[in-house]
Amino acid sequence: SQQGEEDPQALSIQEGENATMNCSYKTSINNLQWYRQNSGRGLVHLILIRSNEREKHSGRLRVTLDTSKKSSSLLITASRAADTASYFCAAYGSSNTGKLIFGQGTTLQVKP
Amino acid sequence: KAGVTQTPRYLIKTRGQQVTLSCSPISGHRSVSWYQQTPGQGLQFLFEYFSETQRNKGNFPGRFSGRQFSNSRSEMNVSTLELGDSALYLCASSLGGLAGVSSYEQYFGPGTRLTVT
Repeated sequence: SQQGEEDPQALSIQEGENATMNCSYKTSINNLQWYRQNSGRGLVHLILIRSNEREKHSGRLRVTLDTSKKSSSLLITASRAADTASYFCAAYGSSNTGKLIFGQGTTLQVKP
Repeated sequence: KAGVTQTPRYLIKTRGQQVTLSCSPISGHRSVSWYQQTPGQGLQFLFEYFSETQRNKGNFPGRFSGRQFSNSRSEMNVSTLELGDSALYLCASSLGGLAGVSSYEQYFGPGTRLTVT
């Protein structure tokens, strides 16, 4: 079963625009992590937001977390062609299992 | 610090053969997890090792096994390969801890692309 489910599954925007991706999860979490994956490569860790945090920033990335709605969003501002990738949210299924459960991801295409 | 490294990067094997993949975690990280990524199933957890002990296991058959060495390096082995084992195998390392890993970021390697023919 998936812990995180991303929406939309695919997103196509022009360079300079903002991109927003949403993630919903099923169970209580300690934290939620966002990853980027360029085609067929490894996952790059973007940001971790803890359950007691509501918003976190890292460069052009802004992540929000709403534990009451069991949802998170990733905003990429002023997108660049290099942001073209798949983005995944992931959370641990339950404390101490060490098992990160991923959603199916959002494929983002940024057109130059 | 050097990142997570995985070898080999690409591998082609024949059905019935076995394969061993290697992962070197970030220096100081004691937890190593393995994931399988396929287009159909997405990213799925295989197992996690901490201090040479398998601490958690996903829902994969016994053909999938792993181990961790005293220097935290880890290997995973797949025996009697099937066509469906073709996938990107990703290793991730984390600081982890005796209390578990779920408070920590996991950092991934570039993966090993396994093709079974």
